[in-house]
Amino acid sequence: GAGVSQSPSNKVTEKGKDVELRCDPISGHTALYWYRQSLGQGLEFLIYFQGNSAPDKSGLPSDRFSAERTGGSVSTLTIQRTQQEDSAVYLCASSPGGNTEAFFGQGTRLTVV
Amino acid sequence: GQNIDQPTEMTATEGAIVQINCTYQTSGFNGLFWYQQHAGEAPTFLSYNVLDGLEEKGRFSSFLSRSKGYSYLLLKELQMKDSASYLCAPYSGGYQKVTFGTGTKLQVIP
Repeated sequence: GAGVSQSPSNKVTEKGKDVELRCDPISGHTALYWYRQSLGQGLEFLIYFQGNSAPDKSGLPSDRFSAERTGGSVSTLTIQRTQQEDSAVYLCASSPGGNTEAFFGQGTRLTVV
Repeated sequence: GQNIDQPTEMTATEGAIVQINCTYQTSGFNGLFWYQQHAGEAPTFLSYNVLDGLEEKGRFSSFLSRSKGYSYLLLKELQMKDSASYLCAPYSGGYQKVTFGTGTKLQVIP
């Protein structure tokens, strides 16, 4: 597709379960971001991948959160032992580089019950 | 580190002009983005300023002062559809990430 694709669009999970969120960036984009956004709040930075550089993981809220980017393309955000406070919209964005426009996916709405 | 400050909320009248300010402190600076985010939607790009001064793009203009660590977004002839959050995002350059402020929620009233 032409844009950033995220799946699933909605995910309801039980507290304590693990979840995987997927992001397909725009082809050729070297930069990839994950953000979290709670209702009515701003974007919370989670992790940033740029080419072959070591990812910037400074925003991950706990060791239950991890992300990988395979082959410089698809990225997966994994949340282990989900908690109710993890409920939010998880947004992925990609760009050709830092000084260029980032394109956002439509997000995955995660609800932990 | 990065420190970004913008007002949390603003209200303006349809047809009027509104200025949304952003101050930032960054370790290194390359340019500054503005994004628009409607409720329930993903952010979309509005502008990117690299040089000092005002850049106009239709009803929207963005200003940057690098020496003051200051930017503003100017929206003219406000329309109801401009009700959204506006995110200020400075970029430090190189392999650094773009950092987003918490956004200014603009409500346009009739």
